[in-house]
Amino acid sequence: GAGVSQTPSNKVTEKGKYVELRCDPISGHTALYWYRQSLGQGPEFLIYFQGTGAADDSGLPNDRFFAVRPEGSVSTLKIQRTERGDSAVYLCASSLLGAADYNEQFFGPGTRLTVL
Amino acid sequence: QKEVEQNSGPLSVPEGAIASLNCTYSDRGSQSFFWYRQYSGKSPELIMSIYSNGDKEDGRFTAQLNKASQYVSLLIRDSQPSDSATYLCAVTSNTGKLIFGQGTTLQVKP
Repeated sequence: GAGVSQTPSNKVTEKGKYVELRCDPISGHTALYWYRQSLGQGPEFLIYFQGTGAADDSGLPNDRFFAVRPEGSVSTLKIQRTERGDSAVYLCASSLLGAADYNEQFFGPGTRLTVL
Repeated sequence: QKEVEQNSGPLSVPEGAIASLNCTYSDRGSQSFFWYRQYSGKSPELIMSIYSNGDKEDGRFTAQLNKASQYVSLLIRDSQPSDSATYLCAVTSNTGKLIFGQGTTLQVKP
């Protein structure tokens, strides 16, 4: 596709449940990022993949959050034992090279997660 | 001190005026700077990137960077009601992740 795609667009779940959020980056982009955005705030970094490996996972808030990118393209963000505080918009972005400099990142439409 | 700071606004300008959006950052080692536009309920859209001191112009948008003062700005000339949105300043860390400010809400009044 032309841009980053994310599914589902909306996810409503109950506290304690497990959820998976999917991201399909721009074709050919080697770097993939997950961010989380709460209302009135800028996006906050969660994890960055360069190829198949997590190059920086320093933003994952705790061990309930995990992400994979097994073939270096599609990524899945997994959240176990969801809590109400996990409610946010989860954004995925991709960039061509992932180098620290000159690193234009393009965002998908996001997944709005609501934990009841 | 937050790593990237923006005035949350709202900044209100009349149609046709110049809108000036400002951002400061704390990491002197930062090399790449970006402005994203975010409409309500939508995801951030990249509108400008700047890497060197000085000005960079693209259509009605001009980004300005002053690394000595750790300051980035975005000017929007001939502002239109369709420019009404939240503008996010972002700075690349040494690992490649983006660090965002909280965004400035711009309102352009017809």
